[in-house]
Amino acid sequence: DGGITQSPKYLFRKEGQNVTLSCEQNLNHDAMYWYRQDPGQGLRLIYYSQIVNDFQKGDIAEGYSVSREKKESFPLTVTSAQKNPTAFYLCASSMTSRGGLETQYFGPGTRLLVL
Amino acid sequence: GEDVEQSLFLSVREGDSSVINCTYTDSSSTYLYWYKQEPGAGLQLLTYIFSNMDMKQDQRLTVLLNKKDKHLSLRIADTQTGDSAIYFCAESDYKLSFGAGTTVTVRA
Repeated sequence: DGGITQSPKYLFRKEGQNVTLSCEQNLNHDAMYWYRQDPGQGLRLIYYSQIVNDFQKGDIAEGYSVSREKKESFPLTVTSAQKNPTAFYLCASSMTSRGGLETQYFGPGTRLLVL
Repeated sequence: GEDVEQSLFLSVREGDSSVINCTYTDSSSTYLYWYKQEPGAGLQLLTYIFSNMDMKQDQRLTVLLNKKDKHLSLRIADTQTGDSAIYFCAESDYKLSFGAGTTVTVRA
């Protein structure tokens, strides 16, 4: 089955700890994205990557880091610098990100909670 | 997203039509989308419309686009309990900009 997987479904972070959220896709998509969802605020773009070994900051990149070493994988690290990390994190991918009909397909999400 | 606005809540009786409205600001948007999110899940693409169209129909879904007023709407005919979800409007330039989402509650 083709699709996007995210793990874990729930993640707990202690104060001062870095945590990494996994996102994998087998759709052969070039572009991948990370969004943060807070109640009543919709989705905000954290980082995106148009191609392997390249990524750009989105609207709220502070306190987060990413890597794109493989086409299939785009992990997101929530660092200790992110002071309000509790949110629902969604990963998405699309064939490209150069405009036009770039339908994004979403994973099931990871809920991050701070202990 | 500040560029896309939606009302936050809609309550509709089962069997009636639902209309969800959205306004956007970027006139260069090529495509406009509607996504559905069920509780605790990711987003599912429902439909999209190209900016040079004014209407698109897909089974129970009808999308209307007024490009002059930058207004997009999604009509769901014969609303069912399974339609209860959050619906997001999004516009696309080089990246997607989402509205805050409209929570649709279907009551019996």
